[in-house]
Amino acid sequence: DIVMTQSPDSLAVSLGERATINCKSSQSILYSPTNKNNLAWYQHKPGQSPKLLIYWTSTRESGVPDRFSGSGSGTDFTLTISNLQAEDVAIYYCHQYLSTGGTFGQGTRVEIK
Amino acid sequence: EVQMEESGGGLVQPGGSLKISCIVSGFTFSNYWMNWVRQAPGRGPEWVAQIKPDGSADYYADTVRGRFTISRDNAKNSLYLQMNSLRAEDTAVYYCSRPTRGGTNDLWGQGTMVTVSS
Repeated sequence: DIVMTQSPDSLAVSLGERATINCKSSQSILYSPTNKNNLAWYQHKPGQSPKLLIYWTSTRESGVPDRFSGSGSGTDFTLTISNLQAEDVAIYYCHQYLSTGGTFGQGTRVEIK
Repeated sequence: EVQMEESGGGLVQPGGSLKISCIVSGFTFSNYWMNWVRQAPGRGPEWVAQIKPDGSADYYADTVRGRFTISRDNAKNSLYLQMNSLRAEDTAVYYCSRPTRGGTNDLWGQGTMVTVSS
């Protein structure tokens, strides 16, 4: 299985500042036919279902604010939340979907400082 | 409005069985692959099983293969997961989800809790 490792496990950021979450895959997740990395990010708030934010490393899902951005290549990927808002408090997960069903990171908890 | 709602979770003893369901509305269920994904307390999500739109093929995580069976009834817009020989490590919130664009889960239900304990 491809192992996804996120860092840090948690971070506290002031309102309006930037939060950066890292995700490392144990092997390449590049899907050759599309030449895209099959990497997604989800936001999970307590009592709610996970919400897809970004797929193919950097493509935002419809309706997701542009303060959320994704980047990366090879085995290293990043989710950046610019101008952090109170409603962004949540746990964020990366997800590789190169293999059937894929595997998820352990999560990064984002809080307000 | 798109909705996916799971039901059927509960407390079951180790070695027992349980069948959970997910009823879907707001999109053409029969056109889509479907997943079950679970999340144990304090851990990241774990993909469990996947089924083709017509139900002709299914796929499982190694941790559940041989014990769990995914199925669907397209006439009822419903997805199922039959869980047998349950273990304490199967304790989790179980979500139905819709994989699209090669595997991203763009829709999730609210989840149903399954607790395996004596």
